[in-house]
Amino acid sequence: ELKVEQNPLFLSMQEGKNYTIYCNYSTTSDRLYWYRQDPGKSLESLFVLLSNGAVKQEGRLMASLDTKARLSTLHITAAVHDLSATYFCAVDPRDTGNQFYFGTGTSLTVIP
Amino acid sequence: DSGVTQTPKHLITATGQRVTLRCSPRSGDLSVYWYQQSLDQGLQFLIQYYNGEERAKGNILERFSAQQFPDLHSELNLSSLELGDSALYFCASSLLGTSGNYGYTFGSGTRLTVV
Repeated sequence: ELKVEQNPLFLSMQEGKNYTIYCNYSTTSDRLYWYRQDPGKSLESLFVLLSNGAVKQEGRLMASLDTKARLSTLHITAAVHDLSATYFCAVDPRDTGNQFYFGTGTSLTVIP
Repeated sequence: DSGVTQTPKHLITATGQRVTLRCSPRSGDLSVYWYQQSLDQGLQFLIQYYNGEERAKGNILERFSAQQFPDLHSELNLSSLELGDSALYFCASSLLGTSGNYGYTFGSGTRLTVV
């Protein structure tokens, strides 16, 4: 069974600090997506990583993909309160008919 | 506004009832995906339609069904509802039948509460 695991599940960090969220998956995939969800809201696309070694950055967030290790990371630099949300990674395996498998989510709280 | 429209936003109904959730994809998108988000199961893929045809099926219960109409909007029908069906139901759309280079665009969801 395909598994997508994120850690940590819960993250409380102070403003100004750096941290990394990890996404491990159990299948072959060259495609990895990161989404953000605010409480009770929809999922907002953050990053689309389409190849091994892909790195993308937007503001204080940077995502990377290592397909050989089946690992993606979401690095947060100098966190601010506005980054408080739940972050999901999602894998699109090659042979599953195009549905995403989502990770468990990481609930991030940035404390002033 | 993502361009994917879901109605209704909230729905409260009793056990045993049937409801229909509606989704209009982003203009030009041919694929519609349905996902269920609950506290215990997380985000689960239910079903995908591409240009009116069922393309992929996930963990969709037999009590649930969906269809995509010629105008590309989609409906998810949930019947014989149980308390455990209470969840947030998301619709997403994409241009083609695959996630492509952009992934999906999600709607704002329908929160279903079964009492």
